[in-house]
Amino acid sequence: DIQMTQSPSSLSASVGDRVTITCRASQSISSYLNWYQQKPGKAPKLLIYAASSLQSGVPSRFSGSGSGTDFTLTISSLQPEDFATYYCQQSYSTPRITFGQGTRLEIK
Amino acid sequence: EVQLVESGGGLVQPGGSLRLSCAASGFTFSSYSMNWVRQAPGKGLEWVSYISSSSSTIYYADSVKGRFTISRDNAKNSLYLQMNSLRDEDTAVYYCARQVVAATGWFDPWGQGTLVTVSS
Repeated sequence: DIQMTQSPSSLSASVGDRVTITCRASQSISSYLNWYQQKPGKAPKLLIYAASSLQSGVPSRFSGSGSGTDFTLTISSLQPEDFATYYCQQSYSTPRITFGQGTRLEIK
Repeated sequence: EVQLVESGGGLVQPGGSLRLSCAASGFTFSSYSMNWVRQAPGKGLEWVSYISSSSSTIYYADSVKGRFTISRDNAKNSLYLQMNSLRDEDTAVYYCARQVVAATGWFDPWGQGTLVTVSS
């Protein structure tokens, strides 16, 4: 199985900060990388697909980049509603997809 | 509105069985592959099972293979997960999720989840 490793596991930041979360794959996955946001007690929500494509309805402050084994999710200016847990997901080995362990973004 | 609604979760003893359902609406269910993903309390996301649009292709995670069975009824716009020989470690919120493109695997939307608790 392809292993996905996110860093950091948790992060404290303030409203207005620029935040970057990293996801690394154990082998090359081309651009088959997706990002989700999950708030407590809620289902995950798709933010970014195919490494850099913004899902419809997602604010433009979210962006994704990378290919191969290294990927990033960037939030350009944190808003109060962005405090959540973020997961990367590789879909290179579809349907046997795997998720990163998650990055918890907390208010400083 | 595209929507997925799970049901069927609950408390079950180790070794018991449970059948989860996922009702789809707002899209042509028969055109999409579907998945089950679970999340143990306080933990991350774990893919459980996949079924293609026509049910011709099915996959399971090694952790549930031989115990869980995924199925669908396109006439009823419904997805199912039959869970047998349940273990403590199967305790989790179970989500159904639509696979937007069969070959590339991102999931949207997800249902709200249904909690399965395996405990004596």
